[in-house]
Amino acid sequence: GAGVSQSPSNKVTEKGKDVELRCDPISGHTALYWYRQSLGQGLEFLIYFQGNSAPDKSGLPSDRFSAERTGGSVSTLTIQRTQQEDSAVYLCASSSARVANTEAFFGQGTRLTVV
Amino acid sequence: SQQGEEDPQALSIQEGENATMNCSYKTSINNLQWYRQNSGRGLVHLILIRSNEREKHSGRLRVTLDTSKKSSSLLITASRAADTASYFCATTGANSKLTFGKGITLSVRP
Repeated sequence: GAGVSQSPSNKVTEKGKDVELRCDPISGHTALYWYRQSLGQGLEFLIYFQGNSAPDKSGLPSDRFSAERTGGSVSTLTIQRTQQEDSAVYLCASSSARVANTEAFFGQGTRLTVV
Repeated sequence: SQQGEEDPQALSIQEGENATMNCSYKTSINNLQWYRQNSGRGLVHLILIRSNEREKHSGRLRVTLDTSKKSSSLLITASRAADTASYFCATTGANSKLTFGKGITLSVRP
């Protein structure tokens, strides 16, 4: 596609349910990032993929959070047993890490609301 | 943890004035980037400056980088109401991880 695509754009879920957020990066981009942004706050790093591997998972807030990337393309961020504090906008970005000093392209995010 | 720290946290100026935003970081970098965000959704890349560069221009934007002080500044000249947004600096290290600061809210009054 022309840009980074995230789905769904909005998700309302009940506390305790599991949710899956999807990110389709720009074709050919090997680096993929997930960030979380609470209202009026900065971007909190969650996880970074280089190809299918995740060299840095340091930002995942708890073991309820997991992410995978298959085929070096689509990534899924899963939150199990959602809590109200998980409510935020989840942003995905990709970049062509094979080219040094290149920008990241962001999707429009998934706004997650846990009620 | 945040790598970049922007200041001020919020800036309000009159249309036509220049806006200067600063960013400091802690560890060595390959490059530093500035992004803009409208309405709390996707970020848009503005400009990238490499660690061996000191100044870069793009339209009304001017970015400087001082690696000895681990700091950067973004200058927007002749600001417009449409420049109202949140601005973030981000750094890339040797492992290509992109780390953002907390952002600056810029308000440009018509």
